[in-house]
Amino acid sequence: AQSVAQPEDQVNVAEGNPLTVKCTYSVSGNPYLFWYVQYPNRGLQFLLKYITGDNLVKGSYGFEAEFNKSQTSFHLKKPSALVSDSALYFCAVSPPYNQGGKLIFGQGTELSVKP
Amino acid sequence: GAVVSQHPSWVICKSGTSVKIECRSLDFQATTMFWYRQFPKQSLMLMATSNEGSKATYEQGVEKDKFLINHASLTLSTLTVTSAHPEDSSFYICSARARGGSTEAFFGQGTRLTVV
Repeated sequence: AQSVAQPEDQVNVAEGNPLTVKCTYSVSGNPYLFWYVQYPNRGLQFLLKYITGDNLVKGSYGFEAEFNKSQTSFHLKKPSALVSDSALYFCAVSPPYNQGGKLIFGQGTELSVKP
Repeated sequence: GAVVSQHPSWVICKSGTSVKIECRSLDFQATTMFWYRQFPKQSLMLMATSNEGSKATYEQGVEKDKFLINHASLTLSTLTVTSAHPEDSSFYICSARARGGSTEAFFGQGTRLTVV
């Protein structure tokens, strides 16, 4: 079965420190990988995606993610966290047969950045 | 950038009534739209895939007669929750994929449905 796992329900970091939000996936073939952020009672905002090419992908608001095919991971990172980064983060995978459309989401990780 | 607008943002309805939620792609044509449901502090679960001009494809376990989906044009898909019950209360989010093989889908802002 295809799935996406975000092993941490919550990540707490201090402002200015680096942050990592983990994501692993189980999808056959070469899926597309995405990160989205959600603020309370809002839809999802696109952060970045990996399709092919360089394993390090840079996205919006200073976020980046590293694709690791051998570990089937796509961890989200940011060198210096801001309080305004506090939100719910979703990793998502688009299966090879439906790239960019139908998405399988992880359960979400709540990021809390304290001043 | 691509904008998807969902309306209404929130709605409260009485048990037994029907509610319609609209999803519009404002600056692009969307051959495919997706409807998701999200429970508090949980992930998004795909309910159905809506294709312009054809019947929607529902995910396993989603009642077709309860959640009616219509994709009448390349910019509009609607989700109607029929005979709503309190357990239908949830956050519903749509996304739209542009025609021409776009590699991503764009999300609406979501609709908070509360059935009383």
